[in-house]
Amino acid sequence: DQQVKQNSPSLSVQEGRISILNCDYTNSMFDYFLWYKKYPAEGPTFLISISSIKDKNEDGRFTVFLNKSAKHLSLHIVPSQPGDSAVYFCAAHNAGNMLTFGGGTRLMVKP
Amino acid sequence: SQTIHQWPATLVQPVGSPLSLECTVEGTSNPNLYWYRQAAGRGLQLLFYSVGIGQISSEVPQNLSASRPQDRQFILSSKKLLLSDSGFYLCAWSVGAGGETQYFGPGTRLLVL
Repeated sequence: DQQVKQNSPSLSVQEGRISILNCDYTNSMFDYFLWYKKYPAEGPTFLISISSIKDKNEDGRFTVFLNKSAKHLSLHIVPSQPGDSAVYFCAAHNAGNMLTFGGGTRLMVKP
Repeated sequence: SQTIHQWPATLVQPVGSPLSLECTVEGTSNPNLYWYRQAAGRGLQLLFYSVGIGQISSEVPQNLSASRPQDRQFILSSKKLLLSDSGFYLCAWSVGAGGETQYFGPGTRLLVL
C-alpha cells in the first residue's frame, strides 16, 4: 500500500524552463510534506517543506504547492538549471515522526 | 552545526558474511535516528528507527538488526548477508521531539556477491 506516490519516474526539461514534479498521497493524517534532492551515490538533501495548514511555500527558485482536497503536492523549479538534474523524492510526515517517501522522479535538465 | 557521518562509503561482502555499518551524529543531543535502504532504481525504505539509547523499532522483517549503544551512534548489523541485502544504506537524524525534517548522511553502498 503506497501512501505516497510519484507517478512520473522521469522528467526532461529544457534549461531556463519550469520543472514541475508531482506527488500524490492517500493518508489524510499527514501533517507535513518535504521534498528531497538526491544525486547518485549521495544521501538525499532536504530542499523545501510545507505544513499541511499552508498551500504554498516558496524558497528562491523552488516553490511547493499543496492541494489538500486533492491530496496532491507539487514542486516547481523555475528557472531550471542543469545542476538541478537529480532524483527528487517527496515525503510525508505523520505524528509518529516517521517519513513516508515516494518512489522518486528523475529530473533531467538539458542545456 | 550538525553533521552526520557514515562509514564505510563502499563495501563489497560475500554472501553469508557479517555486516556492521556505523552512523554517528555531531552537534545535537538525543536525536531520533533512522536507517533506510534504497535498492537500485527504487525509493527509500525505512528499516529501523530509534528515539533513544537502546530503543530500536523495526519496520520490516529481515536478517538485519540495529543497535544504538550511545546517544549519537547508530549501528546496522547482520550476522549473515544475503544477495538481496545489496543496496544503498542511508542513516538519517531528526530533532528528538516534533522534528519533521530528517537529515541524511552520505550513505554506504553495499554489494553482496
